[in-house]
Amino acid sequence: DTAVSQTPKYLVTQMGNDKSIKCEQNLGHDTMYWYKQDSKKFLKIMFSYNNKELIINETVPNRFSPKSPDKAHLNLHINSLELGDSAVYFCASSQGNRGQFFGPGTRLTVL
Amino acid sequence: GIQVEQSPPDLILQEGANSTLRCNFSDSVNNLQWFHQNPWGQLINLFYIPSGTKQNGRLSATTVATERYSLLYISSSQTTDSGVYFCAASDTGRRALTFGSGTRLQVQP
Repeated sequence: DTAVSQTPKYLVTQMGNDKSIKCEQNLGHDTMYWYKQDSKKFLKIMFSYNNKELIINETVPNRFSPKSPDKAHLNLHINSLELGDSAVYFCASSQGNRGQFFGPGTRLTVL
Repeated sequence: GIQVEQSPPDLILQEGANSTLRCNFSDSVNNLQWFHQNPWGQLINLFYIPSGTKQNGRLSATTVATERYSLLYISSSQTTDSGVYFCAASDTGRRALTFGSGTRLQVQP
């Protein structure tokens, strides 16, 4: 009965590779988000989708491309991975402006 | 965009002690949330509280929107309360949360 789930939980890969992280929510929410938590624990918004439409696209390298196939899913594809992409990536969802619920995070390590 | 500041940055308590964590924000908010990030990295929702007061067990929170601050109270702290507490807010017209830098709490037995 997980509300917001992410796969994989851990991802270890080499520089230059392409990888994807998947997120699913079963809360019936209309908005989904990707946040990045860096090594100093600072959390920052990357993208937000509302009803499959991109509404927030922060200053993120265009190697990062989100995709929302439907309201319940939001995926993040990263091309040409760099060392600085190592972080924990959190997916979240909300209904309108009400409280956001976060997934368990995906710890990405780029070697 | 909105700025969110938390204090104190670090806090060490003995088990059973009470504490107050503060969050100041720079603009009117339509969403304010408190989270606990446990030692395993999970972000746990504590409160959705853009205004008013809420209580949940040993935890309570108050947001005074007109004065642009929120407080999180932890009473009778337990070792399982250890971790990082984040305040996050979004201003009018923007749904994404801006996070503070967190308060790292360590509760010692």
